[in-house]
Amino acid sequence: DAGVTQSPTHLIKTRGQQVTLRCSPKSGHDTVSWYQQALGQGPQFIFQYYEEEERQRGNFPDRFSGHQFPNYSSELNVNALLLGDSALYLCASSLFGGGEKLFFGSGTQLSVL
Amino acid sequence: QQQVKQSPQSLIVQKGGISIINCAYENTAFDYFPWYQQFPGKGPALLIAIRPDVSEKKEGRFTISFNKSAKQFSLHIMDSQPGDSATYFCAASPLVTGGGNKLTFGTGTQLKVEL
Repeated sequence: DAGVTQSPTHLIKTRGQQVTLRCSPKSGHDTVSWYQQALGQGPQFIFQYYEEEERQRGNFPDRFSGHQFPNYSSELNVNALLLGDSALYLCASSLFGGGEKLFFGSGTQLSVL
Repeated sequence: QQQVKQSPQSLIVQKGGISIINCAYENTAFDYFPWYQQFPGKGPALLIAIRPDVSEKKEGRFTISFNKSAKQFSLHIMDSQPGDSATYFCAASPLVTGGGNKLTFGTGTQLKVEL
């Protein structure tokens, strides 16, 4: 049983570019959440997707957007990249209404130069 | 505004000792308090979690103590082992259907267990 898988594992972009990160949830899970983890900090909630809709959102600008597909996989898009967007981006999956347990992927390390 | 404060930032414990990490929260709507363990290059993994209707929960060598009136909770790792060396995060979330996914994390504690 595969856990949460994310791709790519590492990514280097320059300021102003756009990036798309991908996530496949754990088998049986229908909800995907995205978190940003800056170096030496705890993860910060970006948003949550369920039934292909954004259900909750953290304190992130509109440059951060997402999508969930019918197979529950998800994408995180960041436009107009800033140096401060450099971080580890974590995807977590869960079962909506089935408890609070989150399963995290290993993340995508994004470096913005 | 930081809503979950975690201390200490780093901790060194001798093998077989007790590791204690503390967290305090502000938002009274929080109703679920998990602890996560993260190794370098990996995502956080759920260790143990508690709801405020109990004051303590134990799973193996890991125990959460919860003080609702003080809005504080702590993780105790008994008989600490070198393999426990990792970064530990406390977190909290409100009790809303599906809302358990919106976790607010502490800043983390880097634990090192020495032989």
